Amino acid sequence: KAGVTQTPRYLIKTRGQQVTLSCSPISGHRSVSWYQQTPGQGLQFLFEYFSETQRNKGNFPGRFSGRQFSNSRSEMNVSTLELGDSALYLCASSSWTGYEQYFGPGTRLTVT
Amino acid sequence: TQLLEQSPQFLSIQEGENLTVYCNSSSVFSSLQWYRQEPGEGPVLLVTVVTGGEVKKLKRLTFQFGDARKDSSLHITAAQTGDTGLYLCAGAGTASKLTFGTGTRLQVTL
Repeated sequence: KAGVTQTPRYLIKTRGQQVTLSCSPISGHRSVSWYQQTPGQGLQFLFEYFSETQRNKGNFPGRFSGRQFSNSRSEMNVSTLELGDSALYLCASSSWTGYEQYFGPGTRLTVT
Repeated sequence: TQLLEQSPQFLSIQEGENLTVYCNSSSVFSSLQWYRQEPGEGPVLLVTVVTGGEVKKLKRLTFQFGDARKDSSLHITAAQTGDTGLYLCAGAGTASKLTFGTGTRLQVTL
């Protein structure tokens, strides 16, 4: 079974721009969660989608948004990028909400 | 807000030594998972513990879930350089959301 894939793996953007990251979950998994990982804050939960509906949301500003398609693929968008948004963005899929997460390799976003 | 504190934050040991990593919370979790993350990669699930007092072994790794399901420990026997990485615990609590711990960075040297 293919694992979770994320594209792109690396991204460099400038302040004020927006970015869209993509995640393809493990086949059959309907839950997709997004996390932000930084050295200072660790792994922080952004949001979770299940069957195209946002089920849970972390404490991030409205500049961070996401969606899930009917094939369970998910995208997250960050608008008006700030330097502090530089991080590793991880996507994880699960067969059910809150259960064991299977992570992708992440997208390393650098904002200059 | 459910928080998971891990200790120690950093650990540097030599190959062959034993170590224990702790994961503590004031909240009760329905299950607890342990992950290992290597540089440039996403976390990889090691184990899930569900029952209070449960002990699971994975080769040289022993995981224990506290009786009250608020804490957990990871014990590694005879550490190897391949055990190097960031160890994360994660608890499944209210609203079926996973809360990740603060992480323990382990360095095993020859």
